[in-house]
Amino acid sequence: DAGVIQSPRHEVTEMGQEVTLRCKPISGHDYLFWYRQTMMRGLELLIYFNNNVPIDDSGMPEDRFSAKMPNASFSTLKIQPSEPRDSAVYFCASSLGTQHTDTQYFGPGTRLTVL
Amino acid sequence: QQQVKQSPQSLIVQKGGISIINCAYENTAFDYFPWYQQFPGKGPALLIAIRPDVSEKKEGRFTISFNKSAKQFSLHIMDSQPGDSATYFCAATVSSKIIFGSGTRLSIRP
Repeated sequence: DAGVIQSPRHEVTEMGQEVTLRCKPISGHDYLFWYRQTMMRGLELLIYFNNNVPIDDSGMPEDRFSAKMPNASFSTLKIQPSEPRDSAVYFCASSLGTQHTDTQYFGPGTRLTVL
Repeated sequence: QQQVKQSPQSLIVQKGGISIINCAYENTAFDYFPWYQQFPGKGPALLIAIRPDVSEKKEGRFTISFNKSAKQFSLHIMDSQPGDSATYFCAATVSSKIIFGSGTRLSIRP
């Protein structure tokens, strides 16, 4: 398997623009997680899905952020409108389950820069 | 109470030396304690993990020591190698979620 795939790898946009980040989880994994990594706040869980259904979105910073998972092989994280403080590396991860033995596999991340 | 506190922020170790990274937590509901390794430009990857009913776990040169009563755990890297240079995150899981420490940037000097 190719692992978790994220696109784009880098995104530079201007404040106020809409940004869409994409993720393809590992085939057969039922759980998908979106994380944000910054120097100030470290790695934060934003939202996670089980079988395409959002389970916990308590980490989503505000209404400007939204995430969807229309099918088992695709998820998006959208920021509208984007702000400079949204600049970060966004990771997608997937796992078979959430038991201790179910490792979360992370994608390579999308580095977002909002000017 | 959901935090996992990690230290040091950065660490420089000579090749062949022992690297030690420490973490502490407050929430007794945490039920699993993984360590992740992250190389520049890559996502974190699971390195080693321990359950709270075990005091030590060793995998090759990597060992987790766990002190449940003190709510502390640490990662020891024996015979540290330049290829171990990376950022290391301790973490704890609760309710299907992983709470990460702030990370330690480890540099191994040749």
